[in-house]
Amino acid sequence: DTGVSQNPRHKITKRGQNVTFRCDPISEHNRLYWYRQTLGQGPEFLTYFQNEAQLEKSRLLSDRFSAERPKGSFSTLEIQRTEQGDSAMYLCASSLNYKNIQYFGAGTRLSVL
Amino acid sequence: GQQVMQIPQYQHVQEGEDFTTYCNSSTTLSNIQWYKQRPGGHPVFLIQLVKSGEVKKQKRLTFQFGEAKKNSSLHITATQTTDVGTYFCAGHGSSNTGKLIFGQGTTLQVKP
Repeated sequence: DTGVSQNPRHKITKRGQNVTFRCDPISEHNRLYWYRQTLGQGPEFLTYFQNEAQLEKSRLLSDRFSAERPKGSFSTLEIQRTEQGDSAMYLCASSLNYKNIQYFGAGTRLSVL
Repeated sequence: GQQVMQIPQYQHVQEGEDFTTYCNSSTTLSNIQWYKQRPGGHPVFLIQLVKSGEVKKQKRLTFQFGEAKKNSSLHITATQTTDVGTYFCAGHGSSNTGKLIFGQGTTLQVKP
């Protein structure tokens, strides 16, 4: 049984650089979610997809953030012109439908220097 | 916007003592979920409550959903060192949305 997979696990980048993270959900799950988590806080919702359609975006998601799920399978989250405040753990989760259990991946920890 | 608050933020207990964390939402929730995150790990689903006044048990863990569907609690009886971690509640709003609103979590430390 393969769970939610995220790559890379860690990313260190310099301020101003672009970064891209990938998430592979559980294969039969049609919903995919991105969250951001900083130390001592709960995960904060960023955006989610049903199949390839992006259904909701948080106001936290500035113009520098973009997410895609082109074929309704894996998803990518890109951050352009990274800032130090973007340093966080980026978590991906997937579910069968909107009220079902969300299964989380191990996350990508981003450090912006 | 919708907010979910948890108290306490931290709890240190002696092994064998009981532990309770409380969760309150600013709005009515369609359901509530509880997750556990070990240090350095990711949130792992524990349970989902849907009905008003619902109580569910998992071994030493007891979960409750309030009558008004705006609050919830998690109680651990006779804590063990394996219970260490941060416990999050998370809720879907009453509208048809996929996003979960998480509380800030309660971090449990258990002294052996």
